[in-house]
Amino acid sequence: DTGVSQNPRHKITKRGQNVTFRCDPISEHNRLYWYRQTLGQGPEFLTYFQNEAQLEKSRLLSDRFSAERPKGSFSTLEIQRTEQGDSAMYLCASSLRHLNTEAFFGQGTRLTVV
Amino acid sequence: DQQVKQNSPSLSVQEGRISILNCDYTNSMFDYFLWYKKYPAEGPTFLISISSIKDKNEDGRFTVFLNKSAKHLSLHIVPSQPGDSAVYFCAARSSSGGSNYKLTFGKGTLLTVNP
Repeated sequence: DTGVSQNPRHKITKRGQNVTFRCDPISEHNRLYWYRQTLGQGPEFLTYFQNEAQLEKSRLLSDRFSAERPKGSFSTLEIQRTEQGDSAMYLCASSLRHLNTEAFFGQGTRLTVV
Repeated sequence: DQQVKQNSPSLSVQEGRISILNCDYTNSMFDYFLWYKKYPAEGPTFLISISSIKDKNEDGRFTVFLNKSAKHLSLHIVPSQPGDSAVYFCAARSSSGGSNYKLTFGKGTLLTVNP
């Protein structure tokens, strides 16, 4: 399978716990993105990597959130001290570094904070 | 501040008829537009795109029309099939500035195609 892979698909955690999600992009894609989707909304941009460099972070990404992409391959998104408002679908996408090219999304990680 | 608006939360059509999904945008810097389809519990799947230098792009049963002066685009699906039932997201991007990778999405339109 050469698509974007995300793990886990579902995560239920207690408020205050830390969680980490993983994204494996399409192998030749040097751009990687994290988006968040809440109920009734479209995906909202969180952060962007070009290779291993994190080039932009949305103001939606509070200091409890951290993302990494070591060696420009897979990426992790960690949320510390989770809050109920963090419950959402976390989507990872990747693309080539060209204009007018689409981003391919993974299946997402559904986070529920109880 | 919704820069990409899909004002119809839902649309229901009969199988074989045309489905028309609409999208409006407010940011005049947007110059590339995409439609994604999303099934429940899955990530969005790219469907079709259009650059602002064009006013129409067609791919099989799917056609996207862009009216730049009205800041409006639409997705036409003809003929509609039950398997097209999904949430459709309109997304836009600006190629200028430092954020030419960032997609701004609408809230989506739930399309139901009835057999």
